[in-house]
Amino acid sequence: DGGITQSPKYLFRKEGQNVTLSCEQNLNHDAMYWYRQDPGQGLRLIYYSQIVNDFQKGDIAEGYSVSREKKESFPLTVTSAQKNPTAFYLCASNRDRRNTEAFFGQGTRLTVV
Amino acid sequence: GQNIDQPTEMTATEGAIVQINCTYQTSGFNGLFWYQQHAGEAPTFLSYNVLDGLEEKGRFSSFLSRSKGYSYLLLKELQMKDSASYLCAVRDITDYKLSFGAGTTVTVRA
Repeated sequence: DGGITQSPKYLFRKEGQNVTLSCEQNLNHDAMYWYRQDPGQGLRLIYYSQIVNDFQKGDIAEGYSVSREKKESFPLTVTSAQKNPTAFYLCASNRDRRNTEAFFGQGTRLTVV
Repeated sequence: GQNIDQPTEMTATEGAIVQINCTYQTSGFNGLFWYQQHAGEAPTFLSYNVLDGLEEKGRFSSFLSRSKGYSYLLLKELQMKDSASYLCAVRDITDYKLSFGAGTTVTVRA
């Protein structure tokens, strides 16, 4: 089945450690996105990519990094520079600007202790 | 960039109708999306508008006016399971940037 997969669903890390969240899609979508969601709030855009080997900062990119070496993969690294990393992270993909739907993964809940 | 505004909370009675408004400002519009999100889950797609007018899909309808930078999501015959957060999102034509509003929490009461 085609879809977008995030792993793991729950992740615990110690403060000061970098952690990488996985996002894979087999929908042949060009565009991919990473969002952060805090309790009771909306989605804030971290990074997005419209094509392989290219990506742009979103509204809250500080303390995060991404790569887009393959069309189907868009991993997000939460670095130790991110001051408040505990959140729900959502990855999404979209075929192109004519596409009428952006698909979401099931999310990764990151807790830093 | 995009500024997207929607009300924080709305409450309605089972069987009633609720209209969630969304206003936006964008430098290059390429579509407006509505998503439903239950607590702790990923958003699920409800509707998409790129041209002015009303799109109807079962109990849910979405309207767009590009000249006014305005959309609404209409939920009819409300059911308890419709209690959720509803997210308005706007896509930019130049770089696919997809930005979300803060979401509207709808509570359906018996």
